[in-house]
Amino acid sequence: GQQLNQSPQSMFIQEGEDVSMNCTSSSIFNTWLWYKQDPGEGPVLLIALYKAGELTSNGRLTAQFGITRKDSFLNISASIPSDVGIYFCAGQNQGGSEKLVFGKGTKLTVNP
Amino acid sequence: KAGVTQTPRYLIKTRGQQVTLSCSPISGHRSVSWYQQTPGQGLQFLFEYFSETQRNKGNFPGRFSGRQFSNSRSEMNVSTLELGDSALYLCASSPQVMNTEAFFGQGTRLTVV
Repeated sequence: GQQLNQSPQSMFIQEGEDVSMNCTSSSIFNTWLWYKQDPGEGPVLLIALYKAGELTSNGRLTAQFGITRKDSFLNISASIPSDVGIYFCAGQNQGGSEKLVFGKGTKLTVNP
Repeated sequence: KAGVTQTPRYLIKTRGQQVTLSCSPISGHRSVSWYQQTPGQGLQFLFEYFSETQRNKGNFPGRFSGRQFSNSRSEMNVSTLELGDSALYLCASSPQVMNTEAFFGQGTRLTVV
């Protein structure tokens, strides 16, 4: 089945630093999504990308849908302690009629 | 608007038993999807229900089943529990089938001993 390779697996950074994480796939997706999961909670949608090459921001978060449709990245600028959590990418095909495929997550730790 | 509600939050079961988990979607949402989350495998899609019909299914054995009621509430059942079934089970609701704007519940943490 389809798989997403998400990297890095974990990151330890200082407050104020910028963060970058990415996802790659061997197959094409029509939609890329980025979620954040806090401990003890379900994932929350951060950014949705629907067009190849699209660059979308949500506050300090910026995500891009790769031109090849096989990758996406998420940047967090000026990290703060509440950015701690696990970030997941997810891809979807076929105009939304197919299931979401998730990456295995990037665990972010921010040291104050 | 109330969010997605999953009950119970925590559950401990013994191998061989069966378990039923419940998910109430956001009011007006008709699609409910179920996921299994484990440290090793990440989020794995189990199945999706829309208008009381299963619309999509992941690669899980037949021990995992689900249903959806006319009020869109959904239940999933796991029979003959195995140790490897220990996981966080998440449900997500959305207005339409496999809509990308899905909202997740807090999950049910199942521990099989």
